[in-house]
Amino acid sequence: EIVLTQSPGTLSLSPGERATLSCRASQSVTRSYLAWYQQKPGQAPRLLIYGASSRAAGIPDRFSGSGSGTDFTLTISRLEPEDFAVYYCQQYGSSPPTFGGGTKVEIK
Amino acid sequence: QVQLVQSGAEVKRPGASVKVSCKASGYTFTDFGISWVRQAPGQGPEWMGWISAYNGNIIYAQKIQGRVTMATDTSTSTAYMELRSLTSDDTAMYYCVRDLGSLPGSFFDYWGQGTLVTVSS
Repeated sequence: EIVLTQSPGTLSLSPGERATLSCRASQSVTRSYLAWYQQKPGQAPRLLIYGASSRAAGIPDRFSGSGSGTDFTLTISRLEPEDFAVYYCQQYGSSPPTFGGGTKVEIK
Repeated sequence: QVQLVQSGAEVKRPGASVKVSCKASGYTFTDFGISWVRQAPGQGPEWMGWISAYNGNIIYAQKIQGRVTMATDTSTSTAYMELRSLTSDDTAMYYCVRDLGSLPGSFFDYWGQGTLVTVSS
């Protein structure tokens, strides 16, 4: 199965700053079938991005995804207070679908 | 609006079984598959398997195959997941999710609220 490694483990930033989160796959992700989720404490994950770069319904345009092959990036252009959370990447190009270990974005 | 409402928290002894239900509303149940995803404390999510609400086709994750059964009841738009021979490693939050892709086990746009399953002697 494909192993996803997310970095950094924790990102300490201030509101208004730019966040860049990385997700690296152990092998190429078919058709860039890569999704990103946001999870806040006590809540279920929320879909942000699918197909590496398509925003899910209702997701603000400050969230953007890019990448292909084995390297993918989630960028939050200007952090809002509600964006401090844990972010997971997930590949669904190969079975079984797998998730990364997460990046926590915390307030500096 | 789309909702997936799961059954309540469970505490089980090692070796026991647990069955979690997931009632869907706000969309045509048979138009999408349902995946089950679990998340152990402090860990990333883990996909457990997928069931087609249209024809009942199932794919289980190899790690738990043989211990898990998934089913749907289209008359009530409800999905079920039963996990047997529980160990402490099965302690986790269990989610049903609406599976959006064209392949089983794709990406997930709606999540249930989660069912906490605790396995403890």
